[in-house]
Amino acid sequence: NAGVMQNPRHLVRRRGQEARLRCSPMKGHSHVYWYRQLPEEGLKFMVYLQKENIIDESGMPKERFSAEFPKEGPSILRIQQVVRGDSAAYFCASSPPLSGRDTEAFFGQGTRLTVV
Amino acid sequence: DQQVKQNSPSLSVQEGRISILNCDYTNSMFDYFLWYKKYPAEGPTFLISISSIKDKNEDGRFTVFLNKSAKHLSLHIVPSQPGDSAVYFCAASAYNTDKLIFGTGTRLQVFP
Repeated sequence: NAGVMQNPRHLVRRRGQEARLRCSPMKGHSHVYWYRQLPEEGLKFMVYLQKENIIDESGMPKERFSAEFPKEGPSILRIQQVVRGDSAAYFCASSPPLSGRDTEAFFGQGTRLTVV
Repeated sequence: DQQVKQNSPSLSVQEGRISILNCDYTNSMFDYFLWYKKYPAEGPTFLISISSIKDKNEDGRFTVFLNKSAKHLSLHIVPSQPGDSAVYFCAASAYNTDKLIFGTGTRLQVFP
């Protein structure tokens, strides 16, 4: 039973390029969350998705960032026209519904985006 | 607006002693709390959780205490081991959402 898989682990992009980060949730998990960690900071919530639906995107920057979780395939976090300030570690987590209050979200190992 | 706060960025404890990591929250709608541990260049891993209907949950060397009236929780690790050295994040979830809100983390160093 593989854990949450993120790829790539490291991604280097020049300013103005697009970055695509992929996340395959654990088997049986229907909820996906994306978090960003800036250097020396905590994990900031970005977006929460279920299959084919965005449930909460209150942490997503208004421009250039988008996320999807299609019926088939991984969840994708897309950053268009990257800038240096986008350099961070991006973590994906998956869970069954937490509303049962006896489960937790499992994290992937993250994608480290560096914008040069 | 930081809804979950970890006011101590770092903590240093001798091996064998107790480590106490603290977390405060402001949102009274939070009803589920979790602690995650993170090593450098890895994703956070789940440690222990507590529901608001409880005030204590224990799992081996790890115990989480919840004081709802003070909106405060703490993680106790006893005895502390060098392998516990990591960054610890407190997280909370409100009853009407599955979204986790994280604190900024406390870096624990356990020295021999």
